[in-house]
Amino acid sequence: EVQLLESGGGLVQPGGSLRLSCAASGFTFSRYTMSWVRQAPGKGLERVSGITGSGGDKYYADSVKGRFTISRDNSKSTLYLQMNSLSAEDTAVYYCAKGGTAEPLDYWGQGTLVTVSS
Amino acid sequence: EIVLTQSPGTLSLSPGERATLSCRASQSVSSNYLAWHQQKPGQAPRLLIYGASSRATGIPDRFSGSGSGTDFTLTISRLEPEDFAVYFCQQYGSSPLTFGGGTKVEI
Repeated sequence: EVQLLESGGGLVQPGGSLRLSCAASGFTFSRYTMSWVRQAPGKGLERVSGITGSGGDKYYADSVKGRFTISRDNSKSTLYLQMNSLSAEDTAVYYCAKGGTAEPLDYWGQGTLVTVSS
Repeated sequence: EIVLTQSPGTLSLSPGERATLSCRASQSVSSNYLAWHQQKPGQAPRLLIYGASSRATGIPDRFSGSGSGTDFTLTISRLEPEDFAVYFCQQYGSSPLTFGGGTKVEI
């Protein structure tokens, strides 16, 4: 059974940093592109970052480019998102999902809430 | 960037009725890589349909997807109480991946 378990969310002050993690199980992690998708309160979905199975190719939305860094540790089947220079506009539930370009987002984690507020 | 426009914004129906949801793309979706996701309050999205018309694992056959190019449809043949939710279309044929704004199916 595929499972994705995010952690690392919480309350952070504007300008602060957080690191999200997503522990994957139930599939061969290294073979698949992984994505981070966020959903601001009461809003739609936005893919903010993605990384190919090897880690060689990465994608960032313009809204987070230069502030967020995606990475993965295939030996630990874990996906990461380092978030710096956070602002109120980054407040959202962050989901990790299996899939990306040319691969459907077929499994989602339960999400972790990031709140940026003073 | 491909913009996905969903209609209607809200669909008010009763259990047992048929639901038809539309998703229109601003340009052709490569390889018809169009997915539909269901999201219930407080839950993560769940994949229903991929490749425009293929049901994901465990999805009941009352859910069906159709369409190609720029016009896609999700049909729920007979609404069950658990189907009342928000439905998002999403294209994964080209970067950036994009989502529609969602259709809420309510009682």
